[in-house]
Amino acid sequence: DTGVSQDPRHKITKRGQNVTFRCDPISEHNRLYWYRQTLGQGPEFLTYFQNEAQLEKSRLLSDRFSAERPKGSFSTLEIQRTEQGDSAMYLCASSGRGNENSPLHFGNGTRLTVT
Amino acid sequence: RKEVEQDPGPFNVPEGATVAFNCTYSNSASQSFFWYRQDCRKEPKLLMSVYSSGNEDGRFTAQLNRASQYISLLIRDSKLSDSATYLCVVNTNAGKSTFGDGTTLTVKP
Repeated sequence: DTGVSQDPRHKITKRGQNVTFRCDPISEHNRLYWYRQTLGQGPEFLTYFQNEAQLEKSRLLSDRFSAERPKGSFSTLEIQRTEQGDSAMYLCASSGRGNENSPLHFGNGTRLTVT
Repeated sequence: RKEVEQDPGPFNVPEGATVAFNCTYSNSASQSFFWYRQDCRKEPKLLMSVYSSGNEDGRFTAQLNRASQYISLLIRDSKLSDSATYLCVVNTNAGKSTFGDGTTLTVKP
């Protein structure tokens, strides 16, 4: 099965450290999305890519967050100088080629805990 | 105001009950609509798309009212396995997906 995969599954870090997460989308999908989810809330949009182009980044996202998709395949999400408020589940999703309204396919997520 | 708003829930219903969830969205340019299901500590998974004419998938019926910017999900003959959080999702014409905060359903024996 070549679904969306995310690495690592869990990350515990101390406040002030930098962390980087990786997402490998479904291979034929050209769109890739990053979301953040905390308990009791729905997934909150962070950013998304079409191929290697970053189409939109949430205004809620501080400059400590950056995402890349250099070759239009896998993507990385980096958080610099982590804060306790960054603790959340970070979800990656991809959607199909040729249809802007295709549903999303999610990975298992990376759970970040900032101590 | 959030772009996508859902009934806060929780909904606690007995097996066999019919339950309906509502969702409203604020962006009139929204193009496509979905319901996702999320089990505890798992990723969201697509339950069904929502079409303008309404659509049904087994015990599940989705309706869309573009004029009122309103989406609904009806579950008939609830099963214990339907217990989950149901997320309403709205896509813009640029393909960006915005999620509601979800409605939690617990089906009890």
